[in-house]
Amino acid sequence: DGGITQSPKYLFRKEGQNVTLSCEQNLNHDAMYWYRQDPGQGLRLIYYSQIVNDFQKGDIAEGYSVSREKKESFPLTVTSAQKNPTAFYLCASRFSAGGGIQYFGAGTRLSVL
Amino acid sequence: AQSVTQLDSHVSVSEGTPVLLRCNYSSSYSPSLFWYVQHPNKGLQLLLKYTSAATLVKGINGFEAEFKKSETSFHLTKPSAHMSDAAEYFCVVSLAYNQGGKLIFGQGTELSVKP
Repeated sequence: DGGITQSPKYLFRKEGQNVTLSCEQNLNHDAMYWYRQDPGQGLRLIYYSQIVNDFQKGDIAEGYSVSREKKESFPLTVTSAQKNPTAFYLCASRFSAGGGIQYFGAGTRLSVL
Repeated sequence: AQSVTQLDSHVSVSEGTPVLLRCNYSSSYSPSLFWYVQHPNKGLQLLLKYTSAATLVKGINGFEAEFKKSETSFHLTKPSAHMSDAAEYFCVVSLAYNQGGKLIFGQGTELSVKP
């Protein structure tokens, strides 16, 4: 099955801990994106990558880091510098052409212990 | 700068009655506009997409949207609501790929469907 796989589905972070959210796609998409969703606020862009070994900050990148070592993988690390990490995190990907459609994973819900 | 505004944070309808979810956009050029749907604790699913080929766009599950340039609107409609339509709906504009291909989201409209 082709698609975008996010893991884990639920994640808990302790104070001062870094945690990594996984995002893998087998759609051969060029670009990948991380969004954060808070209740009543829509989705906000954290980071994105349009090519391997390159990525750009989105609107709320502080306290997060990413890497893009392979085309199919775009992990997001929530660092201890992110003071309010509790949210629903969504990964998406798209072709460079294709009219702008992004395809989304099922999300990871991160909570703080 | 491009932006979208969803005019209602919550809409409630009875099953079998029409659905109208309102969206206004701001764009300096012809936009790529989308409606996505999100069921609780799930990812987003594309409902439909406007890219200037036709002003009336048909999507999945009986939804339609009409692009009105004079009103800068892209409202989502469905003639008859079903219980399974209860979800959150997002109006979205896409930036060009050479601008990152990013999506700009509205705040979302939660649709409730009463039996």
